Amino acid sequence: DAGVTQSPTHLIKTRGQQVTLRCSPKSGHDTVSWYQQALGQGPQFIFQYYEEEERQRGNFPDRFSGHQFPNYSSELNVNALLLGDSALYLCASSPDRALGLHFGNGTRLTVT
Amino acid sequence: GIQVEQSPPDLILQEGANSTLRCNFSDSVNNLQWFHQNPWGQLINLFYIPSGTKQNGRLSATTVATERYSLLYISSSQTTDSGVYFCAGLLNTGNQFYFGTGTSLTVIP
Repeated sequence: DAGVTQSPTHLIKTRGQQVTLRCSPKSGHDTVSWYQQALGQGPQFIFQYYEEEERQRGNFPDRFSGHQFPNYSSELNVNALLLGDSALYLCASSPDRALGLHFGNGTRLTVT
Repeated sequence: GIQVEQSPPDLILQEGANSTLRCNFSDSVNNLQWFHQNPWGQLINLFYIPSGTKQNGRLSATTVATERYSLLYISSSQTTDSGVYFCAGLLNTGNQFYFGTGTSLTVIP
């Protein structure tokens, strides 16, 4: 039973570019959340997807957008990258909004 | 939002020692969880503990929901316990887990 998988593991982009990160949830999970973790900080909530809809959004600009597919996998898109977007991006899945989160290994994004 | 304070921020232990990590919430939360983040960045779910006490091997956790805090106990620490420990909780309404700033643990042989 595969856990949460994320791709790619590492990514280097230039300021102003766009990036797409991908996540496949754990089998049996239909809810996907994305978190950004800056160096030395705890994860910060970006948004959550359920039934292909954005159910809740954290305090992130519209440059951050997402999508959930019918098979529950999800994408995180970031446009017009800034240096401050450099971080570890974590995807978490759960069988319900209120139950335990299971995290993938993350995508480490570096913006130069 | 809510504030999540974790203490201590840093901890260095000799292998075999015991420790207690604390997590305080500024508001009532549900679905409290403890995570261990290894040096490679992987977040491992340790406990899902909205209330009461749970034990898993050398680790145990206690949450006192009415007083808005949770404790993580590590006994007979090992070098593989090194990493950052996070607690996180969910408000009664909403779908956002709020994380603390973590406790960085180093276990030396």
